[in-house]
Amino acid sequence: ELKVEQNPLFLSMQEGKNYTIYCNYSTTSDRLYWYRQDPGKSLESLFVLLSNGAVKQEGRLMASLDTKARLSTLHITAAVHDLSATYFCAVTRGETSGSRLTFGEGTQLTVNP
Amino acid sequence: GAGVSQSPRYKVAKRGRDVALRCDSISGHVTLYWYRQTLGQGSEVLTYSQSDAQRDKSGRPSGRFSAERPERSVSTLKIQRTEQGDSAVYLCASILRGTIYFGPGTRLLVL
Repeated sequence: ELKVEQNPLFLSMQEGKNYTIYCNYSTTSDRLYWYRQDPGKSLESLFVLLSNGAVKQEGRLMASLDTKARLSTLHITAAVHDLSATYFCAVTRGETSGSRLTFGEGTQLTVNP
Repeated sequence: GAGVSQSPRYKVAKRGRDVALRCDSISGHVTLYWYRQTLGQGSEVLTYSQSDAQRDKSGRPSGRFSAERPERSVSTLKIQRTEQGDSAVYLCASILRGTIYFGPGTRLLVL
């Protein structure tokens, strides 16, 4: 059974600081996704990582994938309050006609002024 | 279309009653998934349906959950004999060529 674990689950940080969220998964997967969710809202796609060594960056967020270690990281650079949200990683595996996601528990990020 | 929509956005149900949640996906999307999101437990897939199946098989946590596809771009999640533990946000996800589109979710409260 595919399992996905994130850490930390809760993260409180000061504006301007850097931090990394980790996502480990238990078996090989086809794609790894990072999502952002604001309270009361649905999931917003941030990144899709397809292959070993993939790195993607958008603004202050950078995601990377190491398929050998079954690890993805979401790095936050110089955090700002607007980044406060819950971040989920999710992986899919081996389904050709659909993309069943297995989610991590989520990391609730609070950026304090 | 404008994306994936869900209705109702909020639902309060009495324990033991059946509820139905609707998802309107994007035209042409083949596969729809239903996920349940609970605080502290993350998101788990409940069930899914594909365009050629009117009724799927239920997934976790039990046979009380089923999805029907009355139209190609519509899925209805049915929860039978609701329990308080069913209180959660139910997300519909529509997939086309590997891209996943989530609906805004339905927040269900079972009293």
